[in-house]
Amino acid sequence: GAGVSQSPRYKVAKRGQDVALRCDPISGHVSLFWYQQALGQGPEFLTYFQNEAQLDKSGLPSDRFFAERPEGSVSTLKIQRTQQEDSAVYLCASSLGVGGTHSEQFFGPGTRLTVL
Amino acid sequence: AQTVTQSQPEMSVQEAETVTLSCTYDTSENNYYLFWYKQPPSRQMILVIRQEAYKQQNATENRFSVNFQKAAKSFSLKISDSQLGDTAMYFCAFMKRGGGGADGLTFGKGTHLIIQP
Repeated sequence: GAGVSQSPRYKVAKRGQDVALRCDPISGHVSLFWYQQALGQGPEFLTYFQNEAQLDKSGLPSDRFFAERPEGSVSTLKIQRTQQEDSAVYLCASSLGVGGTHSEQFFGPGTRLTVL
Repeated sequence: AQTVTQSQPEMSVQEAETVTLSCTYDTSENNYYLFWYKQPPSRQMILVIRQEAYKQQNATENRFSVNFQKAAKSFSLKISDSQLGDTAMYFCAFMKRGGGGADGLTFGKGTHLIIQP
């Protein structure tokens, strides 16, 4: 497809389990972003990649959160030892460039994570 | 750090009416972008309209227009001739411009807009 895709769409984890969320950005998009959206809230920035380089991880809430984009395309957000407060929708977005007219971010459908 | 405030948690209007959604923001940056995103119940976020802070002219996209007041740090969205398909969560968002790379968006908490038939 032409848009940003994410998998799985839904994930249920028991507290303490590790999870991995995948994002396939639009082909050729340089920039990739992860956001966390709690119920009834706006998305909050987690981390940003420019190609394979993770240039900003200031939004990651703890060292249990880890993201990678090893070949500059697909990205994985990993959460270790999940806790109930990690329950949220995780959104991925990509943009063609790094700013200016190419800064529009295109969003995926999100992965809804529920931690029991 | 930037903050974005949307003071209207929910709004409801009749189809074909005009509705205005409010947004204020706080920043020390001079160069930035402002956006309105729409998130329908399916949850995929869609860009509605964007405004570059250095441009004085308000952005318009068909039935959607903004009232950008830089000094007041206000960025409202006007939807004319509202349609049932406009029912969604609307998020105001801020992004710094420039620097060595892109920046993440800072979102408000959203306004749930309901268009009544």
